[in-house]
Amino acid sequence: TQLLEQSPQFLSIQEGENLTVYCNSSSVFSSLQWYRQEPGEGPVLLVTVVTGGEVKKLKRLTFQFGDARKDSSLHITAAQPGDTGLYLCAGSYNTDKLIFGTGTRLQVFP
Amino acid sequence: GAVVSQHPSRVICKSGTSVKIECRSLDFQATTMFWYRQFPKKSLMLMATSNEGSKATYEQGVEKDKFLINHASLTLSTLTVTSAHPEDSSFYICSAPNQDFGNEKLFFGSGTQLSVL
Repeated sequence: TQLLEQSPQFLSIQEGENLTVYCNSSSVFSSLQWYRQEPGEGPVLLVTVVTGGEVKKLKRLTFQFGDARKDSSLHITAAQPGDTGLYLCAGSYNTDKLIFGTGTRLQVFP
Repeated sequence: GAVVSQHPSRVICKSGTSVKIECRSLDFQATTMFWYRQFPKKSLMLMATSNEGSKATYEQGVEKDKFLINHASLTLSTLTVTSAHPEDSSFYICSAPNQDFGNEKLFFGSGTQLSVL
């Protein structure tokens, strides 16, 4: 059973548009991470958030951890074709074991 | 950063054969490693936690006799898919934590694409 639900599942947009991906759970996580994965490769870590309400920015990407540490969002400003990929949130409960979200597949067209 | 090497990257085998996948932490020691399975266009599903010197811990629904895990040293964990069948075809990924990197300490291998004919 997936404990982390991501929405939307698929997203297809034009270059320059903004988008937000959501990651929701009924469980409280000690930390939450966001990854991006290309086909045939392992996931690449984008960011880790650990404090409720925390906001982190990585160039055009803004990540937020919910106040209750049950949900998170990823906002991309002015999306580019290079942002295309599978975006995964993943949570942990004070251990090294990660539980991955259901994933959001993003396609950005030029 | 730390490097996790996974081998082979791709394997094609006949139904009924066994396939071994290796996961190595190249410049750090890992008492724990994690094995994930990923179906096409889907997320990663945790299969088991590999523990150095002891038995692996399997997630619910994962067959222990089907997916044999061995963690004989602090830098190597192996996953053997026994008597593979076409439904075992999938992308398998390992990861290992390096405690020197704080919260961002989990490093992933590049994955193994298994195709069973």
